[in-house]
Amino acid sequence: NAGVMQNPRHLVRRRGQEARLRCSPMKGHSHVYWYRQLPEEGLKFMVYLQKENIIDESGMPKERFSAEFPKEGPSILRIQQVVRGDSAAYFCASSAAFTARNQPQHFGDGTRLSIL
Amino acid sequence: QKEVEQNSGPLSVPEGAIASLNCTYSDRGSQSFFWYRQYSGKSPELIMSIYSNGDKEDGRFTAQLNKASQYVSLLIRDSQPSDSATYLCAVKDDKIIFGKGTRLHILP
Repeated sequence: NAGVMQNPRHLVRRRGQEARLRCSPMKGHSHVYWYRQLPEEGLKFMVYLQKENIIDESGMPKERFSAEFPKEGPSILRIQQVVRGDSAAYFCASSAAFTARNQPQHFGDGTRLSIL
Repeated sequence: QKEVEQNSGPLSVPEGAIASLNCTYSDRGSQSFFWYRQYSGKSPELIMSIYSNGDKEDGRFTAQLNKASQYVSLLIRDSQPSDSATYLCAVKDDKIIFGKGTRLHILP
């Protein structure tokens, strides 16, 4: 499967625990984007990364949330000390290059995070 | 604050009719426009992209772009029950901004 791979598909955490969401981009893609979607809501941009660089994190909450895309391995979205309001679907998307205007994003299947 | 606006619906269309979905955007400098389809509980799936004024057709789908009026639309001809989904408009400038989506319901 050459698509965007996210895992886990479902993640349950108790309040105060940490959540780690992983995303492997499509083959040949070097740009990764994370979005959060609440029920009946649209996709909210969180962060845009390239390998080893955070390009735009304007959508990330100031506290508890962090993201990385190391030289080797998947991109990680990390949520520390989770709260009930963090329950949502988190989608990762990738594209081949941002500067090329005709580069759409392709989405993974998402991680459904539930906070007990 | 750059915005992408869509009517949330639901938009109900009889099977076989044309479904028309509209989207307006606030950033006049936007260059690329996309329509995604999202089934309930699933991830968004790219169905159309458009970059120039006018129409772009792909099978039963036609995307229309009017940069002067800052709107983009999606027409679905011969609507099928399988077209029932939420359709997300996305506009790209320095980042991609998504609308909240329009729920489309095709009535059998």
